[in-house]
Amino acid sequence: KAGVTQTPRYLIKTRGQQVTLSCSPISGHRSVSWYQQTPGQGLQFLFEYFSETQRNKGNFPGRFSGRQFSNSRSEMNVSTLELGDSALYLCASSLIYREDEQFFGPGTRLTVL
Amino acid sequence: EDQVTQSPEALRLQEGESSSLNCSYTVSGLRGLFWYRQDPGKGPEFLFTLYSAGEEKEKERLKATLTKKESFLHITAPKPEDSATYLCAVGQNFVFGPGTRLSVLP
Repeated sequence: KAGVTQTPRYLIKTRGQQVTLSCSPISGHRSVSWYQQTPGQGLQFLFEYFSETQRNKGNFPGRFSGRQFSNSRSEMNVSTLELGDSALYLCASSLIYREDEQFFGPGTRLTVL
Repeated sequence: EDQVTQSPEALRLQEGESSSLNCSYTVSGLRGLFWYRQDPGKGPEFLFTLYSAGEEKEKERLKATLTKKESFLHITAPKPEDSATYLCAVGQNFVFGPGTRLSVLP
């Protein structure tokens, strides 16, 4: 079956702009998590959604937000972009009862100039 | 605060040369310890979840073990295709370690 898909794969923005990234989970998966990966900080948890509700949130400023739709697709938004937001943004999905086994998408590479 | 460290940072092995990777953690409540493998340009790929001290899991040439404060990923007779970065994670918010970059030379 199809894996987790993320769009766009690559994105270039300038400081101060905002960006929206999209994630389509594996069919049947209802939990979606977002991560930021950078060479300096590694892989860091942003937030987790289940049934359109945010269940957990990492230690990121309020400029980072997300939401989940009724079909389990998810979006994350970053407002007022900063240079330090340049990173690979990864989305992962999991089943209801096996939520610890996460399946990751290929990520969206965001570059902020 | 949940913390994870991994060692070594990088490891080069000859094909067939077995070794172990370490993941040490401090966590308020162990939801589970997770091992992932990540190839360049790709998202992490799930390998194992371990829930309690003494638990072991195997998959092909990989075997993961768990104690109260650390986990080991043993690689037996590795092949070049095992080259990747291996990540471990713990906690409710999946705190990831920095990873071990493994290179297996033919």
